[in-house]
Amino acid sequence: DVKVTQSSRYLVKRTGEKVFLECVQDMDHENMFWYRQDPGLGLRLIYFSYDVKMKEKGDIPEGYSVSREKKERFSLILESASTNQTSMYLCASTRGGNTGELFFGEGSRLTVL
Amino acid sequence: DQQVKQNSPSLSVQEGRISILNCDYTNSMFDYFLWYKKYPAEGPTFLISISSIKDKNEDGRFTVFLNKSAKHLSLHIVPSQPGDSAVYFCAASWGGSARQLTFGSGTQLTVLP
Repeated sequence: DVKVTQSSRYLVKRTGEKVFLECVQDMDHENMFWYRQDPGLGLRLIYFSYDVKMKEKGDIPEGYSVSREKKERFSLILESASTNQTSMYLCASTRGGNTGELFFGEGSRLTVL
Repeated sequence: DQQVKQNSPSLSVQEGRISILNCDYTNSMFDYFLWYKKYPAEGPTFLISISSIKDKNEDGRFTVFLNKSAKHLSLHIVPSQPGDSAVYFCAASWGGSARQLTFGSGTQLTVLP
């Protein structure tokens, strides 16, 4: 079974703190994604990576950065957390050339106070 | 500007009856459509998909219908079971790229015993 593991299920941080969200997949997938899910807005793409050290901005990249140093690991970084980044963050992966059948992690619920 | 819309935030159906979840899209470039299911505290899981060259795809109790002229797709669940209670997201992509995947805002389905 494909497994996408997100390191933290629940986090509480203060405004201005630096936040790292880690994601690891075990299926040698080329593509990895970070989404955020908010009520009434569905899933919105923050960043996408199609290979090690390669990344593309998604629809809402402002306030976020990413790192992909190894194929299996994709990290989302909030350099200075703000209250409007309180959300559910979902990591996903899929093989190259896939049209959209993503494998998701369980999500990380971040609250910024 | 939401390119994929799910206009019903919630739907309640009696166990054993049919559930019909609807989705509309505006971008005529979309050529691949998917449905995901999400339980609380879990990541979304892929349910069923359909290519724009087809108008129907079945998988067990789940059938997806695509009406390209109306830019509308629907998911039928027959018969509905209490375990089907979840949030359902429709999604669309184009150009064979998961990077282009766009999600709707989701519909909460509740199947009443």
